[in-house]
Amino acid sequence: EAGVTQFPSHSVIEKGQTVTLRCDPISGHDNLYWYRRVMGKEIKFLLHFVKESKQDESGMPNNRFLAERTGGTYSTLKVQPAELEDSGVYFCASSQEVGGFRYGYTFGSGTRLTVV
Amino acid sequence: KNEVEQSPQNLTAQEGEFITINCSYSVGISALHWLQQHPGGGIVSLFMLSSGKKKHGRLIATINIQEKHSSLHITASHPRDSAVYICAVRRGDNFNKFYFGSGTKLNVKP
Repeated sequence: EAGVTQFPSHSVIEKGQTVTLRCDPISGHDNLYWYRRVMGKEIKFLLHFVKESKQDESGMPNNRFLAERTGGTYSTLKVQPAELEDSGVYFCASSQEVGGFRYGYTFGSGTRLTVV
Repeated sequence: KNEVEQSPQNLTAQEGEFITINCSYSVGISALHWLQQHPGGGIVSLFMLSSGKKKHGRLIATINIQEKHSSLHITASHPRDSAVYICAVRRGDNFNKFYFGSGTKLNVKP
């Protein structure tokens, strides 16, 4: 079974440019989560999708960040325009829900974003 | 103050040593995960615990719900164990989010 796949693995962009990160969850996982780790700090929650709907986006830092999950399959996280403080590793995770119990949490390998 | 605290932050060991990494949390949880982040950034989930103890190969994870504490042990450590180990908890009242410790950077020398 394929795991959670993230693309690209690394991205280096200039301040002010736009970058789009992609996450493909495990097939059949309705729950998809985005997290990020900025330098020297712990990983922080960004948002949670249930299928194509945003269940919780309380961790999104500002309106330069836009997450979508059209069709309830893969998700994209766009940063526009990117700022220096956006540099970090962006992780995606997915999970399955049966009878109200979520399990099978699996993390992707992350996208390392560097804004210069 | 972070809801999840790990110690130590950095750990250097000689190959073969027994290693312990600790995690304390201050919130009610539904589960605790131990994750391994490789130098390239990828994360691998090692264990998910809600009680007791789990063992996988040379790795052992324990959790004490009453004391809100978990430990990750590595027996007969090897240089390939060098990585950042992260403790993550899922809140009991909010299944949507993980809260992460800052990680323990382990370096095992040959």
